[in-house]
Amino acid sequence: DQQVKQNSPSLSVQEGRISILNCDYTNSMFDYFLWYKKYPAEGPTFLISISSIKDKNEDGRFTVFLNKSAKHLSLHIVPSQPGDSAVYFCAASSNSGGSNYKLTFGKGTLLTVNP
Amino acid sequence: DAGVTQSPTHLIKTRGQQVTLRCSPKSGHDTVSWYQQALGQGPQFIFQYYEEEERQRGNFPDRFSGHQFPNYSSELNVNALLLGDSALYLCASRWGSGANVLTFGAGSRLTVL
Repeated sequence: DQQVKQNSPSLSVQEGRISILNCDYTNSMFDYFLWYKKYPAEGPTFLISISSIKDKNEDGRFTVFLNKSAKHLSLHIVPSQPGDSAVYFCAASSNSGGSNYKLTFGKGTLLTVNP
Repeated sequence: DAGVTQSPTHLIKTRGQQVTLRCSPKSGHDTVSWYQQALGQGPQFIFQYYEEEERQRGNFPDRFSGHQFPNYSSELNVNALLLGDSALYLCASRWGSGANVLTFGAGSRLTVL
């Protein structure tokens, strides 16, 4: 049973346009959400996060939106750049901090930004 | 400042063998987690170590075991390897008392033939 779902395996956008990556979750206990990006032959790199007490968090070109009632979050990248081409993972946790902290990941979305 | 370092980078084993993977956490971090990423999948939680004890475990069989040393480094051991154990094994670290963000290493790519 997959608790975090990224239903789009891939997304292709033009440089300068907006990229929107989506993520759905089923576990109501999740209270913290993160986005990681991964380049080939590298480990996942933290991008941005949001707590369940917020509905938006912004960091430069990256904004994450959380809709708790719909159990849905999205990552917006504006403007998209070719260097943003990577696999993006949505992740969630249900115990922020503490010794039992773990992340549940989606399968990832491959973003390709075309020059 | 070194991040999370893992070794070896790649390794090939045959079914039934045993493997040990190693991880050094980021400086200042005291909690280490291990994740398995199969091809086309997201990372899946194996277990987490804090204060040299296994604190939480994912849905993995007892063939998967680990250890954390006093210097916070960690090992992942897999016994009786199966073809399905072929994957990228990721180590992640954090400061156990509060940080919500995991820092990942580049992983160890295990191929079981």
